[in-house]
Amino acid sequence: QITLKESGPTLVKPTQTLTLTCTFSGFSLSTSGVGVGWIRQPPGKALEWVALIYYNDDKRYSPSLKSRLIITKDTSKNQVVLTMTNMDPVDTATYYCAHSTWTPGGDYFDYWGQGTPVTVSS
Amino acid sequence: QSVLTQPPSVSGAPGQRVTISCTGSSSKIGAPYDIHWYQQLPGRAPKLLIYGNNNRPSGVPDRFSNSKSGTSASLAISGLQAEDEADYYCQTYDNSLRGWLFGGGTKLTVL
Repeated sequence: QITLKESGPTLVKPTQTLTLTCTFSGFSLSTSGVGVGWIRQPPGKALEWVALIYYNDDKRYSPSLKSRLIITKDTSKNQVVLTMTNMDPVDTATYYCAHSTWTPGGDYFDYWGQGTPVTVSS
Repeated sequence: QSVLTQPPSVSGAPGQRVTISCTGSSSKIGAPYDIHWYQQLPGRAPKLLIYGNNNRPSGVPDRFSNSKSGTSASLAISGLQAEDEADYYCQTYDNSLRGWLFGGGTKLTVL
């Protein structure tokens, strides 16, 4: 059974750095084709892909956020960490981590965490 | 950069069939990549509904199906039920982006 759970602060101030941790079980992030991604959803708005890290440490970032993001994995701890610098109120959203499966037709996100709300406000 | 466009809302009565479109800004939506669909119930995390060529994860009824043609893809829901009321998102991989795109989402209301 695959499960993922996000953790981190619920409130950050503008210009601060956000660090979110995804702790997962039921799979290994050293298995070929597997990735863990971060997707966010501002209140009342659509899903937006943020970042993803593959089993082989290949890292992908949304071009619009790339300069502010770092994604890392700790395979031994079954964790993926997302760091986002210079937070702004527009970054207020629920942040989800999700297990991705690679196929020739493109990856899909087949297991999702419950999400963690992050508010950026002074 | 590609964009995936969905209608903001659709509605249907119980038992009816509804479709939700997902139109790409490029000449062929997502090509050569598949379109995947997610269901998000109110207050819940998204759930994978259909992936690739009409593949459904365990537990997803065959009332849900997808199709793809030229510049658009569609999710069809037949035998509409009250519990289908949710937001639906399409998603694909964009090679120029080296990342993933989600559509703007469609709110399904069961009348």
